[in-house]
Amino acid sequence: ETGVTQSPTHLIKTRGQQVTLRCSSQSGHNTVSWYQQALGQGPQFIFQYYREEENGRGNFPPRFSGLQFPNYSSELNVNALELDDSALYLCASSLAGTSETQYFGPGTRLLVL
Amino acid sequence: AQSVSQHNHHVILSEAASLELGCNYSYGGTVNLFWYVQYPGQHLQLLLKYFSGDPLVKGIKGFEAEFIKSKFSFNLRKPSVQWSDTAEYFCAVIEGGSYIPTFGRGTSLIVHP
Repeated sequence: ETGVTQSPTHLIKTRGQQVTLRCSSQSGHNTVSWYQQALGQGPQFIFQYYREEENGRGNFPPRFSGLQFPNYSSELNVNALELDDSALYLCASSLAGTSETQYFGPGTRLLVL
Repeated sequence: AQSVSQHNHHVILSEAASLELGCNYSYGGTVNLFWYVQYPGQHLQLLLKYFSGDPLVKGIKGFEAEFIKSKFSFNLRKPSVQWSDTAEYFCAVIEGGSYIPTFGRGTSLIVHP
């Protein structure tokens, strides 16, 4: 266990809907990163937040957005869901705005029908 | 764009066998290198990392990895595997000056008792 929690654990949505995934960081960590892991693939970086500001973004469209709150918890929002958005979504928390050592949560498995 | 290749997608070994998992990356500059492991039903966790210095890095549970700059490689090794090493192993690379990791697609290791 890493102290990073995510909710919900599983979610089923239909194409075109919107979804919000939540992450609670490990105590003391001020940086959170979100990843998408498709079946049989490695995690793919979506974006990172540091002290409530987006600190970097991977190759994902604007319909993927996020928030980080003053208590360093975080949300990932995905609008206009597509079938290919079906994946495991991981969040990882770390210190000091770097990706040096990240502590991953258990993930939210999203299925888009 | 940076790419990370893990050539062995599935590896099956007997206990006490030696293990080497390949990881190659495409970036020619300074890199930070990581191996992560995901045991069945558990979170993704850091196994070992290389930032600078001795290219032979020791990690947890008897794992080690060697950075060979001329070969753009960071292979993971363990001299004698145990049944409990059954897991998914991911190599990740961060280009110098960036904080965005690129993961390989992972290697599934099964160790027979």
